[in-house]
Amino acid sequence: QKEVEQDPGPLSVPEGAIVSLNCTYSNSAFQYFMWYRQYSRKGPELLMYTYSSGNKEDGRFTAQVDKSSKYISLFIRDSQPSDSATYLCAMSALDGNNRKLIWGLGTSLAVNP
Amino acid sequence: SAVISQKPSRDICQRGTSLTIQCQVDSQVTMMFWYRQQPGQSLTLIATANQGSEATYESGFVIDKFPISRPNLTFSTLTVSNMSPEDSSIYLCSGHRGAADTQYFGPGTRLTVL
Repeated sequence: QKEVEQDPGPLSVPEGAIVSLNCTYSNSAFQYFMWYRQYSRKGPELLMYTYSSGNKEDGRFTAQVDKSSKYISLFIRDSQPSDSATYLCAMSALDGNNRKLIWGLGTSLAVNP
Repeated sequence: SAVISQKPSRDICQRGTSLTIQCQVDSQVTMMFWYRQQPGQSLTLIATANQGSEATYESGFVIDKFPISRPNLTFSTLTVSNMSPEDSSIYLCSGHRGAADTQYFGPGTRLTVL
């Protein structure tokens, strides 16, 4: 079992839809939970990060963490064609003296006009 | 956030040759990392670039194949040595700064080995 599981999709939705992207994890020691967006032929771009259980909102994006269920979500409201990208979840863990990120596979999202 | 640049942005190389990728950060970061991303795949950490000392490599990656330098806090290089077609990938550098464990990424170097 991988430490972080993420459905790779692809996910296709109409413009204006609410999108839900999810990751599950097995390591209860993960501390920070992040969502990155990656456009084709670009590097990953940090969208949001959270530390504790609960919701964090930024514009049309809401990140949700449920540590008891080991489950994180990213919601996108009023989705736009410009949201079409791959969304990767990442979680941080201490490895020796360094903190490293453990990555999900990424979910490919297409928002159709 | 930190602005990170990489060069070259892409290259096509012959088998058996080596390529050095440069990564420049616009401000001081505490840690720098090198990743590989195969087409359609997630990110695989190659190593943590340590300033003034040897990089810390992940399982499956060795210094002879992927020598890394970090002479100061804002610059690092990754060399892909004795390349084979299996090394064709996107190579990404990232930097970490601040209390959270977030990382900021460069645009990547797309390498094709013939």
